[in-house]
Amino acid sequence: EDKVVQSPLSLVVHEGDTVTLNCSYEVTNFRSLLWYKQEKKAPTFLFMLTSSGIEKKSGRLSSILDKKELSSILNITATQTGDSAIYLCAVVPNSGYSTLTFGKGTMLLVSP
Amino acid sequence: NAGVTQTPKFRVLKTGQSMTLLCAQDMNHEYMYWYRQDPGMGLRLIHYSVGEGTTAKGEVPDGYNVSRLKKQNFLLGLESAAPSQTSVYFCASSRAEASRETTQYFGPGTRLLVL
Repeated sequence: EDKVVQSPLSLVVHEGDTVTLNCSYEVTNFRSLLWYKQEKKAPTFLFMLTSSGIEKKSGRLSSILDKKELSSILNITATQTGDSAIYLCAVVPNSGYSTLTFGKGTMLLVSP
Repeated sequence: NAGVTQTPKFRVLKTGQSMTLLCAQDMNHEYMYWYRQDPGMGLRLIHYSVGEGTTAKGEVPDGYNVSRLKKQNFLLGLESAAPSQTSVYFCASSRAEASRETTQYFGPGTRLLVL
């Protein structure tokens, strides 16, 4: 059974701080790992990491995949209150129909 | 282009009642999914569909049925609602497995309360 564990489960930081969110996984035949940001409603896609694309960056957000350690980190630099959200990590096995296995998420609160 | 839409946004049911949640997507995606999200549990896959007329069970299918009569619509049914089905339900869709770069797009969610 595929498994995704995120840590920490929740985190409070001050505006301007840098945060690192962790995601570790166990999956049969890994295909990809995805990060989503969930504010009040639907999760929105941030990054997809695969064997051929282990590092992604977009503005203040960046993510790295460590295939040896079966883990990924999501970094947010110079945090803003608008970064407050639940960050979800999910893995896709290299079989089946793109069914995602999600972690429980990390709830990030950025205080002004 | 509305993306993925869900109806209704919120619903209160009594135990034993039935209802259908509707998901619609206008991106011509082959694959569609139903998840439920509970506090501290993340998103869990209920059922999914890889094409019109096909459905498959996910991680937590018990108590739910689905149908995909049209490519753009994916229905989730609760035949006899139970309090344990109180949750937020998300629908998602994605392209078929044409490449390794495939992501899911989510609807806004339906909040269901079963009393």
